[in-house]
Amino acid sequence: GAGVSQSPSNKVTEKGKDVELRCDPISGHTALYWYRQSLGQGLEFLIYFQGNSAPDKSGLPSDRFSAERTGGSVSTLTIQRTQQEDSAVYLCASSYLGSSGANVLTFGAGSRLTVL
Amino acid sequence: AQSVTQPDIHITVSEGASLELRCNYSYGATPYLFWYVQSPGQGLQLLLKYFSGDTLVQGIKGFEAEFKRSQSSFNLRKPSVHWSDAAEYFCAVGEYFGNEKLTFGTGTRLTIIP
Repeated sequence: GAGVSQSPSNKVTEKGKDVELRCDPISGHTALYWYRQSLGQGLEFLIYFQGNSAPDKSGLPSDRFSAERTGGSVSTLTIQRTQQEDSAVYLCASSYLGSSGANVLTFGAGSRLTVL
Repeated sequence: AQSVTQPDIHITVSEGASLELRCNYSYGATPYLFWYVQSPGQGLQLLLKYFSGDTLVQGIKGFEAEFKRSQSSFNLRKPSVHWSDAAEYFCAVGEYFGNEKLTFGTGTRLTIIP
């Protein structure tokens, strides 16, 4: 697609429920990233995919968080048994690592999660 | 590990005035650096990037940034701000051919007053 697409744009859920957030990257971008932005905070790295594998998942806050990517394209971030502290905007980005070795990320508009 | 510091949480500038947003990074080798802008309810848009070469880089919307290795800084500037520049600005650092994630600063919120 023309840009990075994320859905849903807004999700309100009750504490303890599971949620799935979806990211559709730019066609041809091999790398995909999930970041979290809490109110008044910067961007917190969660996980990074190269193809379908995740070389770096060091930012996932707990085992309630998981992510997968299939077909080198769409990714799903799943949060199980949501807690109020999970409320944040979840941003997805994709990139193509060129021969320069430098990585330029293109971001989606984000999924705003509110846990009541 | 690399880190980015944006010392100003919130800056207020009059429309038409000049702007400088500060960014300091910590990284052992030559980094590559970005400024992104986030308007309310929007994702992040790339303003400009520094990879190598000329230390003064030009971006979109009339912004520029200067890489100063001796000061480990990459400050963002604009000679005359417009009301539409009100947004959150993020500085980010990456590592060549290394860990491919970008590390972001905590952001600077820019308010423009008439």
